[in-house]
Amino acid sequence: GNSVTQMEGPVTLSEEAFLTINCTYTATGYPSLFWYVQYPGEGLQLLLKATKADDKGSNKGFEATYRKETTSFHLEKGSVQVSDSAVYFCALTLGGSYIPTFGRGTSLIVHP
Amino acid sequence: GAVVSQHPSRVICKSGTSVKIECRSLDFQATTMFWYRQFPKQSLMLMATSNEGSKATYEQGVEKDKFLINHASLTLSTLTVTSAHPEDSSFYICSAPLRSGTSGGVPKPTYEQYFGPGTRLTVT
Repeated sequence: GNSVTQMEGPVTLSEEAFLTINCTYTATGYPSLFWYVQYPGEGLQLLLKATKADDKGSNKGFEATYRKETTSFHLEKGSVQVSDSAVYFCALTLGGSYIPTFGRGTSLIVHP
Repeated sequence: GAVVSQHPSRVICKSGTSVKIECRSLDFQATTMFWYRQFPKQSLMLMATSNEGSKATYEQGVEKDKFLINHASLTLSTLTVTSAHPEDSSFYICSAPLRSGTSGGVPKPTYEQYFGPGTRLTVT
């Protein structure tokens, strides 16, 4: 079956530090990959996506590159802010399916 | 962008009563919606897939008689927690998929999820 594995959190960083949140996947085909972000007390919202190998998704200073050879989609940001504190979910969908598979989420805490 | 609303955002009810949560797609039609329950330490559990015009599809271990889902129209799905108990207290989130079109100029159907803001249910 399909699955998404994320690094355990929480990830705790100081403001302006470099962020990496690891995500790897297993899938029976060629998935589309997503990162969603959940701010405290809110629902999830799409942060970025990539639909084919070597695509880079980017938004709000965050980036992730679809690496087919390592089945990974790691989330990075060069300089985090306190306002980036949230839970980040990696997800995939396969082919024309609208049913997502989510990772367990990684909590990010950024201190001033 | 696409917007999904949920109502209410918070509800407190007494044990044994029923609670209805609404999920609406505001600017697009959604023949399918998903209902999730989010536990402490953030993991999302898919409860069921709500299908307009047909029965919902429940995930294994989710009691369909307890969590009633009705997809009344192309923009509205409801989740009713019947005979609620304290262990049903949780954060419930709905989502609706929306298709985005292409990848590098080549059509590749990809569905993004648009989530409601969630409903915090507390059963006393």
